[in-house]
Amino acid sequence: RKEVEQDPGPFNVPEGATVAFNCTYSNSASQSFFWYRQDCRKEPKLLMSVYSSGNEDGRFTAQLNRASQYISLLIRDSKLSDSATYLCVVDRGAAGNKLTFGGGTRVLVKP
Amino acid sequence: NAGVTQTPKFQVLKTGQSMTLQCAQDMNHEYMSWYRQDPGMGLRLIHYSVGAGITDQGEVPNGYNVSRSTTEDFPLRLLSAAPSQTSVYFCASSYRGGGYGYTFGSGTRLTVV
Repeated sequence: RKEVEQDPGPFNVPEGATVAFNCTYSNSASQSFFWYRQDCRKEPKLLMSVYSSGNEDGRFTAQLNRASQYISLLIRDSKLSDSATYLCVVDRGAAGNKLTFGGGTRVLVKP
Repeated sequence: NAGVTQTPKFQVLKTGQSMTLQCAQDMNHEYMSWYRQDPGMGLRLIHYSVGAGITDQGEVPNGYNVSRSTTEDFPLRLLSAAPSQTSVYFCASSYRGGGYGYTFGSGTRLTVV
């Protein structure tokens, strides 16, 4: 079993719609959680950290469920520019230095 | 403020050759890491450093060496290139890891023939 698992998609989303997807992690000792965005053939870029209480950044909402060991990302009012691969990232190092990446969920927003 | 700079952007090596991938950051970040990204595998940690003079292995360290003589630079050396090392390599840095997240360089696309 992979340490961090994601549905690879693609999630085909009409422009303006809401899309949500999850990521599960296997190491219950994981300390920090993130969502990164990666455009085709580009470097990953930090989208948002995921906090225990859940957090929101504009149209993006992230949730953490430690009991069930998953995190989620919800995108409201999808834009064409949201088309990308979203990487779930878990930091399993106590010192915050060992990121484990999921394989990514591809989102395609269509007009 | 350039962020994380990786050179070269593209490289073709013959099997058995050695080379060094360069990574430099100008954000005074303590933590630096090297990842490789292969289709269907996600990014995997090769080596990491939590400060100058301190390095450690990640999950796929075989065939690679690193050193961290300064805060700014974290080169990755391929000792004897193999076709299995064909990949996209990303260098990343972070202020202190944890909730600070990491900033990635634009990557080096390496092909070993």
